[in-house]
Amino acid sequence: GEQVEQLPSILRVQERSSASINCTYENSASNYFPWYKQEPGENPKLIIDIRSNMERKQIQGLIVLLDKKAKRFSLHITDTQPADSAMYFCAADTNTGKLTFGDGTVLTVKP
Amino acid sequence: EAAVTQSPRNKVAVTGGKVTLSCNQTNNHNNMYWYRQDTGHGLRLIHYSYGAGSTEKGDIPDGYKASRPSQENFSLILELATPSQTSVYFCASGGQANTEVFFGKGTRLTVV
Repeated sequence: GEQVEQLPSILRVQERSSASINCTYENSASNYFPWYKQEPGENPKLIIDIRSNMERKQIQGLIVLLDKKAKRFSLHITDTQPADSAMYFCAADTNTGKLTFGDGTVLTVKP
Repeated sequence: EAAVTQSPRNKVAVTGGKVTLSCNQTNNHNNMYWYRQDTGHGLRLIHYSYGAGSTEKGDIPDGYKASRPSQENFSLILELATPSQTSVYFCASGGQANTEVFFGKGTRLTVV
């Protein structure tokens, strides 16, 4: 199986600053690492993902980093806006189609 | 966009009663999943399926059964509901491994 630890559980940042969320995994066979954003009362939606053949991926203001040796991956949101306030989940897949999620981070961006 | 539809969206059940949560996807995805979401625990996998007729146990299967009668439909069954099963349940579908998984809007289940 797989275990994913996600920190911090709560994150508050000032508007236009950066926010970082970190995840670690246990199974070295994990090779796919998506990040999901969940607005209150809504379903989780994929915002960015990275596969094990990459170390860095950026989509606009979202950056994900993957360190396979340390079994660690992270999400960095640059130039945060109040609209970025939400729950964020990291996840890992060992090429089975079965995602294991972290416990989530509640991000609040203060105006 | 990929469509995953759950029904009902809200359900109140009595302890000891049977509850069936239904999920339909029109994405022609092979893989379907049932997760529950509780404060402090994120999304935990209950059962999943790789195709019609198949079901697999996830990380927390106790007290739940699943049924995949067709490519499109995947049900979660609570034979004897307990208050500890009060939660928000999400169904999801996905294609091959290492590709995006699409979630339904969720079912809020309260067992009294």
